[in-house]
Amino acid sequence: QKEVEQNSGPLSVPEGAIASLNCTYSDRGSQSFFWYRQYSGKSPELIMSIYSNGDKEDGRFTAQLNKASQYVSLLIRDSQPSDSATYLCAVISGYSTLTFGKGTMLLVSP
Amino acid sequence: DTGVSQDPRHKITKRGQNVTFRCDPISEHNRLYWYRQTLGQGPEFLTYFQNEAQLEKSRLLSDRFSAERPKGSFSTLEIQRTEQGDSAMYLCASSLTSGRAGGTDTQYFGPGTRLTVL
Repeated sequence: QKEVEQNSGPLSVPEGAIASLNCTYSDRGSQSFFWYRQYSGKSPELIMSIYSNGDKEDGRFTAQLNKASQYVSLLIRDSQPSDSATYLCAVISGYSTLTFGKGTMLLVSP
Repeated sequence: DTGVSQDPRHKITKRGQNVTFRCDPISEHNRLYWYRQTLGQGPEFLTYFQNEAQLEKSRLLSDRFSAERPKGSFSTLEIQRTEQGDSAMYLCASSLTSGRAGGTDTQYFGPGTRLTVL
């Protein structure tokens, strides 16, 4: 059973702070890793993808992957109230289907 | 460039009725996926197509569920004899994959169809 684990939160941070979201996965053969943002009642929106160990930066977002520890994280710098949403970690192992975690709710207070 | 579209956006039905949802993927995307999401959970995979071929089905996809992608473009998901447990958001996603080993297969989601079974 392939599993993706996330802390459900909520993670509360003040505006302008760094939000750190974490994810672990069970299948050591996992190849591709994604972070999606989902606002309440809406569909998931792709934020970042990462495939190799290390860091990948895109604007205020940095994804970090450590395959040895089976760990993926997402850092959001200069957090804004508009970043308040549920962040879903998703993993592809073998076939092309995504296995999602339950998501972490992020609340950014003004 | 239009994204993935789904129709209808909302569907309310009575238990025992049949419902059908449609998904139009991003043009030229060869893979199309169906997921289901219930409150407080991440999306769960149901099935996917590469072109017109249905390549994988989840154990979640009971025999009351059927999906088609007849010409390799749009797809339909039908649920027969709906049950209250079928109430969920049904999400469609598409991707363009070369099929090479190590391909990235980034999936883009449509707005979803929210089904309520009374």
